[in-house]
Amino acid sequence: QVQLQESGPGLVKPSQTLSLTCTVSGGSISSGGYYWSWIRQHPGKGLEWIGYIYYSGSTYYNPSLKSRVTISVDTSKNQFSLKLSSVTAADTAVYYCAREKVGGYDIDYWGQGTLVTVSS
Amino acid sequence: QSALTQPASVSGSPGQSITISCTGTSSDVGGYNYVSWYQQHPGKAPKLMIYDVSNRPSGVSNRFSGSKSGNTASLTISGLQAEDEADYYCSSYTSSSLVFGTGTKVTVL
Repeated sequence: QVQLQESGPGLVKPSQTLSLTCTVSGGSISSGGYYWSWIRQHPGKGLEWIGYIYYSGSTYYNPSLKSRVTISVDTSKNQFSLKLSSVTAADTAVYYCAREKVGGYDIDYWGQGTLVTVSS
Repeated sequence: QSALTQPASVSGSPGQSITISCTGTSSDVGGYNYVSWYQQHPGKAPKLMIYDVSNRPSGVSNRFSGSKSGNTASLTISGLQAEDEADYYCSSYTSSSLVFGTGTKVTVL
């Protein structure tokens, strides 16, 4: 059973960089066949896809966030990470890491989500 | 990329069937058979209910079914049960990225 767990600061100051890590257990990121994704949900709102990374390092980002987003992978630790720069209050959201099927784009495993608040 | 359009709310009585629509464009829903549906209960992560338009993952009740016509996908829940009360989101592949729907709150009367 694959499990994903987000970790990182729950509070980030405006203009700083939000950094989160997702640790994957029960399966290897390097096994291929899946993208490793970040999705966020603003309080009381819908889901927003941020981007994903393949184990090889190939990345794809939401065009609306592309200038501020970096997703990286550390296969030795079975982790992948999200960095979102120049954050504002509008980036306050629950951030989920997830596994997305290559060639299907459905998300079959999700982390529990972590609330990140942007505030001074 | 714009969010796919879903009705804000749909309701039904126990045992009834309801259908949630998800309208996009020929660049997303209409262009690919990569439409998924997710169920989300309050405070929980979303759960995959339908993938590739009409396929159910193992363990998902056969009361949930999906279809697509043109630029609109649909999720039907038959034999509505109290536990089906949740938010539902569609998603579609589009140009190397993923777009979600606006979400629909399902209420069991």
